[in-house]
Amino acid sequence: GESVGLHLPTLSVQEGDNSIINCAYSNSASDYFIWYKQESGKGPQFIIDIRSNMDKRQGQRVTVLLNKTVKHLSLQIAATQPGDSAVYFCAESVGGTSYGKLTFGQGTILTVHP
Amino acid sequence: DGGITQSPKYLFRKEGQNVTLSCEQNLNHDAMYWYRQDPGQGLRLIYYSQIVNDFQKGDIAEGYSVSREKKESFPLTVTSAQKNPTAFYLCASTRGSQGYGYTFGSGTRLTVV
Repeated sequence: GESVGLHLPTLSVQEGDNSIINCAYSNSASDYFIWYKQESGKGPQFIIDIRSNMDKRQGQRVTVLLNKTVKHLSLQIAATQPGDSAVYFCAESVGGTSYGKLTFGQGTILTVHP
Repeated sequence: DGGITQSPKYLFRKEGQNVTLSCEQNLNHDAMYWYRQDPGQGLRLIYYSQIVNDFQKGDIAEGYSVSREKKESFPLTVTSAQKNPTAFYLCASTRGSQGYGYTFGSGTRLTVV
């Protein structure tokens, strides 16, 4: 079946740097995307979402970019902090909401060094 | 504060036993979901329910069962038919058609002993 995948399984950055986590999706019908952060032994936390009628959306220190032409999603974290160290998942769904099924990628491990 | 509560946090099961994982939410969310997470992997959907007394199979429903008798509750039973039940189980909920991302519980780690 179609799935969401990630280019880089691990990412190490220095505190204060900007981080970019990438995600490729294969289902051209997907129109709603979410980024989650998961710390060890905890449930995923919602970070930011974006619908396919947008190319960019900004939150607090985070920006999500969507390139529908190449089916690519990215999460940018500004001024990365040690507390940002976690596994980051992208997820996709069809139908414009997360009301139905979300398909998750395998995750990227972000490590922030002080 | 509103949220999703999963219990227990850790659960040990003997082979051949059924166990039930609890998931309760006070967010007034319509839809609820169960996911399984194996080490180093993403989340895979087991079952989901969009309204009370109705639920649908996800991608890996074999060996699991659910019920949705109340809007607030969506328990998952891991039956003896599930051959590899050791995993981290996550419950989530979301509003109906509002388009908001899921809210996840803190998970239950199930180990077969």
